[in-house]
Amino acid sequence: DVKVTQSSRYLVKRTGEKVFLECVQDMDHENMFWYRQDPGLGLRLIYFSYDVKMKEKGDIPEGYSVSREKKERFSLILESASTNQTSMYLCASSFRAHSYNEQFFGPGTRLTVL
Amino acid sequence: AQSVSQHNHHVILSEAASLELGCNYSYGGTVNLFWYVQYPGQHLQLLLKYFSGDPLVKGIKGFEAEFIKSKFSFNLRKPSVQWSDTAEYFCAVNDRTGGFKTIFGAGTRLFVKA
Repeated sequence: DVKVTQSSRYLVKRTGEKVFLECVQDMDHENMFWYRQDPGLGLRLIYFSYDVKMKEKGDIPEGYSVSREKKERFSLILESASTNQTSMYLCASSFRAHSYNEQFFGPGTRLTVL
Repeated sequence: AQSVSQHNHHVILSEAASLELGCNYSYGGTVNLFWYVQYPGQHLQLLLKYFSGDPLVKGIKGFEAEFIKSKFSFNLRKPSVQWSDTAEYFCAVNDRTGGFKTIFGAGTRLFVKA
């Protein structure tokens, strides 16, 4: 079974703090993704990566950065957390061979910024 | 820009009722289409997908979806729902030639009364 794990299920941070969200997958997937999930808005893509050290902006990259130093790990960084970044963050991974390959999701990190 | 529209945000059905969840997308090119499901407390997981061939695709747990290219639609159906189908359902699309960026709809919350 593919496993995508995220470092925390719940996180509470203060405005202005630097926040790291970690994601690890164990199926040797080339692609990794970070989404945020908000009620009524579905999933919105923040960043994705199709290879080590490669990254592409998604639809809402502002206020976020990412790091992919190893194939299995994809980190999302909030340089200076703000209250409007309170959300559920989902990590996903997939094989790169075909665009129709399904994405496998982690359990999510619910981040609250006070 | 691509977009995905799910017509109903909340649906309440009794067990054994038939289900149809609407999904329309806006994109003129060749697309892959997906339905993902998130059961309470669980990860998002793939329900079914279409990328070529028979436009009527069957997924897990008795779900099916029909791709109607002329209507830009990919509606999800199930002839008889069960209480265990209570979940949030997301329609998603990506451009078959444009890489891996996937656009998700806002989601439909289905509640099935026992």
